[in-house]
Amino acid sequence: DGGITQSPKYLFRKEGQNVTLSCEQNLNHDAMYWYRQDPGQGLRLIYYSQIVNDFQKGDIAEGYSVSREKKESFPLTVTSAQKNPTAFYLCASSIEVTDTQYFGPGTRLTVL
Amino acid sequence: AQSVTQPDIHITVSEGASLELRCNYSYGATPYLFWYVQSPGQGLQLLLKYFSGDTLVQGIKGFEAEFKRSQSSFNLRKPSVHWSDAAEYFCAVGAPGRGGGNKLTFGTGTQLKVEL
Repeated sequence: DGGITQSPKYLFRKEGQNVTLSCEQNLNHDAMYWYRQDPGQGLRLIYYSQIVNDFQKGDIAEGYSVSREKKESFPLTVTSAQKNPTAFYLCASSIEVTDTQYFGPGTRLTVL
Repeated sequence: AQSVTQPDIHITVSEGASLELRCNYSYGATPYLFWYVQSPGQGLQLLLKYFSGDTLVQGIKGFEAEFKRSQSSFNLRKPSVHWSDAAEYFCAVGAPGRGGGNKLTFGTGTQLKVEL
């Protein structure tokens, strides 16, 4: 079954700790994205990657980092520099960067 | 820069009634337009999309949307709502043909409640 998986579904961390969210896809899509969702604010783009070993900042990249070493994987690290990291994080992918984006089930991060 | 407005934060309809969710966008040319649906705690599911051609687009679950260039709108409609349609709906606009990537801009969402 093809799709996008995100793990874990729920994540709790102490303030000041870095945390890495996993995103894997077996759709053979070239492009991958990370969004942050907060209540009443819709989705905001954090980072995106068009191909392996390449990624671009989105609208709210500060305090986040990514890597794209494999086509199927695009992990997101939330660093201690992110002032308000508690949110719902969504990963997406598309065949090409201008094509339809398909979403994973999300990870809810709570920083205590 | 592109933007999307969903003027209705919450909408309540009775089961079996018709539905229209509003979406207005701002973009200099013809954009890519999308409607997604999200159930609580879940990811987003694509309902339908408009890239070009026929301005009336059919999607999954009986939804349709109409692109109106003169009104910069892409409203979502369904003739008869089912209780399972209760969810949050997001309109999104993308910028086609840009070398910097397809940065989708999302509206703030419309929460749909269905009364039985």
